[in-house]
Amino acid sequence: KAGVTQTPRYLIKTRGQQVTLSCSPISGHRSVSWYQQTPGQGLQFLFEYFSETQRNKGNFPGRFSGRQFSNSRSEMNVSTLELGDSALYLCASRSALDSSYEQYFGPGTRLTVT
Amino acid sequence: GESVGLHLPTLSVQEGDNSIINCAYSNSASDYFIWYKQESGKGPQFIIDIRSNMDKRQGQRVTVLLNKTVKHLSLQIAATQPGDSAVYFCAENMGGAGDKIIFGKGTRLHILP
Repeated sequence: KAGVTQTPRYLIKTRGQQVTLSCSPISGHRSVSWYQQTPGQGLQFLFEYFSETQRNKGNFPGRFSGRQFSNSRSEMNVSTLELGDSALYLCASRSALDSSYEQYFGPGTRLTVT
Repeated sequence: GESVGLHLPTLSVQEGDNSIINCAYSNSASDYFIWYKQESGKGPQFIIDIRSNMDKRQGQRVTVLLNKTVKHLSLQIAATQPGDSAVYFCAENMGGAGDKIIFGKGTRLHILP
């Protein structure tokens, strides 16, 4: 079956703009998590959605938001972009309906803020 | 400004030898722990997980050990191969009912020919 897909793969934005990133989980997976990866901070948890509800949130400012649709696809939005938001944004999905905690990651969206 | 990269610890292992990657975690209440492998240009790949009520779990060529007393996790890779070259992350779930996966800083595994 198809893996986790993320669009777009690369994005260049200017400070102050906003951006929306999309994630399509593996078919049948209901949990989607988002992460930010930077050379300075490593992999940091942003939030997790399950059945259209945000279950957990990391320590990011309110400029970072997300949502999940009824088909489990998820989007994250970053408003008023700052230079420090330049990063690789990864999403991961898992079934969450069985005992496995195995998450499958997408290839990421590389966001550059200039 | 210039971003300072993480100084990842590096483990260099001879091909065919066993590798042991160590990790300290922070939250005594974390209910499960995971090891991931990340190759250059790719997203992390799940290797193995272990619940907090276990102290050892084995997979194909990998073993994870959990010591809750000292909050320590290790990943053992048997007969290390060139394809094992990657950055390895330990992670813990602090999310309770849901997922809140907190990653460690990572260890770069370098395989010597």
